[in-house]
Parts: sequence; structure tokens; C-alpha cells
Amino acid sequence: EAQVTQNPRYLITVTGKKLTVTCSQNMNHEYMSWYRQDPGLGLRQIYYSMNVEVTDKGDVPEGYKVSRKEKRNFPLILESPSPNQTSLYFCASSLTPRGSTDTQYFGPGTRLTVL
Amino acid sequence: AQSVTQLDSHVSVSEGTPVLLRCNYSSSYSPSLFWYVQHPNKGLQLLLKYTSAATLVKGINGFEAEFKKSETSFHLTKPSAHMSDAAEYFCVVSGAGRRALTFGSGTRLQVQP
Repeated sequence: EAQVTQNPRYLITVTGKKLTVTCSQNMNHEYMSWYRQDPGLGLRQIYYSMNVEVTDKGDVPEGYKVSRKEKRNFPLILESPSPNQTSLYFCASSLTPRGSTDTQYFGPGTRLTVL
Repeated sequence: AQSVTQLDSHVSVSEGTPVLLRCNYSSSYSPSLFWYVQHPNKGLQLLLKYTSAATLVKGINGFEAEFKKSETSFHLTKPSAHMSDAAEYFCVVSGAGRRALTFGSGTRLQVQP
């Protein structure tokens, strides 16, 4: 089954404790991205990757890191989480780098709470 | 630059009545436009997309949207609401460039029995 998976689905942590949210897709997609969803703001892009070893900042990259060492995986790293990073996070992928007409496939989401 | 405005944060309809969710966009390029739906505690699912072919786009579950360039609108409609349509709906624009998608702030649709 074609899918995007994220782990963990729920995470409660404390300020400053490094964490990683994993994202994996099995569709051989080139383009992957991370979004955060906050009430009244829709989804905002954090980082995106057009292919292996090619990553770039989205609209709200502060406090986040990513890597793309393999085509299928795109982990999101919070080196020193803060309470304002409490949010619902979605990973997404699409077939081509530009993604302008491609359907984005979304993971199930990771709800992160930083105390 | 591109942006999306969803004109209503909440819409409430009765089951069996028409649904209208409004979306205006701005884009420096010829845009692609999407509607995504998010059911409670679920990820986002594509409803339909416009990519410069027919201006009236049909999607899943009886939804459709009409691209009106003169009005810069892409409103989502359904003739008859069903209880299972209760969800949050996002209008999304994509243009040239590498960042792909800009999301609207969402419209929560309630369907009353």
C-alpha cells in the first residue's frame, strides 16, 4: 500500500530535550516536506527536500533541522525544543521535485507537546 | 508570491442541503489549485485539483469546484451535504517555484442532522 508513515504519532517532551520525528514514504517520491498545523493558521511549510541531499527552508524553519540521506526518509529534528513548537506536524511527499501540479500525499500526523 | 484566503472559518449546514466553501487566491503565475479535506484526527486527503485544464473540476464524494480567473476564486461546492462531510477543508495554491504549496487557514464544515 502506498503510504507516508510518521513516528511517533504522539509525543510529550520537555524544553531542551532533543527529539527526532521520522518520516518514510514507499512511493519512490523525489519531493518531501514537513508542515506544522496550528489553529487558524492552516499548514505552514517548515522544510522541504527536492531529492537526496537537497534540502531547503520553507516558511517557518527556525528551531528545526532536516536531513535527506535516503530517498524514502526525511526526519525532522528539534535540537532544543521549546513550548512554541507544540503543534501538529505533517510529513508529505509528491512524485516530482516541483510538485506544482502533483498530488501531495500526507502522513497521519505527529502531535507534539513541549512542556 | 502567492496566497490563499478562505473566507469562512466555520460553515454549518443541514444534512441534504448544499455546501459552499469559499476560496480566493492570488498568484504571480498560472496557479494550480487544490482542495484537501482533513477528518478529525486524520491526515489530509486530496478532494480535487485544478491544473489549467477544464475550469469545472469534479472530485471525490460528490464535491466540485470552479476555477474563475476573473474573480480569482476557487469555491468548493456539493449539492447535498452528508453527515460524513463534517471535516476541515483546506484550499491550497501552487505556482512556479520550489516550495510547492500555500495553504489557506481552513474552513470547518459542520453538518447538522
